[in-house]
Amino acid sequence: EAQVTQNPRYLITVTGKKLTVTCSQNMNHEYMSWYRQDPGLGLRQIYYSMNVEVTDKGDVPEGYKVSRKEKRNFPLILESPSPNQTSLYFCASGTGGYEQYFGPGTRLTVT
Amino acid sequence: QKEVEQNSGPLSVPEGAIASLNCTYSDRGSQSFFWYRQYSGKSPELIMSIYSNGDKEDGRFTAQLNKASQYVSLLIRDSQPSDSATYLCAVNGREYGNKLVFGAGTILRVKS
Repeated sequence: EAQVTQNPRYLITVTGKKLTVTCSQNMNHEYMSWYRQDPGLGLRQIYYSMNVEVTDKGDVPEGYKVSRKEKRNFPLILESPSPNQTSLYFCASGTGGYEQYFGPGTRLTVT
Repeated sequence: QKEVEQNSGPLSVPEGAIASLNCTYSDRGSQSFFWYRQYSGKSPELIMSIYSNGDKEDGRFTAQLNKASQYVSLLIRDSQPSDSATYLCAVNGREYGNKLVFGAGTILRVKS
């Protein structure tokens, strides 16, 4: 089954404790992206990757890091999480800026 | 002006009616247009894509694109309670680089 998977699905953590949210896709897509979704603000892009070892900032990259060492994986790293990073996070993959397919989401709470 | 604008709603329609959802965008050079459906607490699901002016039909869904007026719409015929969700418009264009720009979404409620 073609899919994008994310782990964990739910995470509660404390300020400053480094965390990683994993994302993996099995559709051989070159393009992968991370979004956050907040009430009233919609979906905002954090980082995206056009291919292995090629990443670029989206609209809200501050406080986040990414890496793309393999085509199928695109982890999101929060080196020192803060409460304003409490949000619903989605990973997506697709063909460039065209059709994108979303993972199930990770609900992160930073206290 | 926001890059992609949608009426937040909620848009309420009776079961069996046609729901009409609208979206306007600012980049005149935009090439690709998408509609996603998002149920509460779930991820966005791609339901329609359209690339050229005119209508594109898929089952009960019709996407309409008018590049001259910079709007794209989604019609849902014979609306069902299961269509109740938030509908997100997304646009890709030269000005936006290698990313989709999403509208904030329109909440649709279909009443039985």
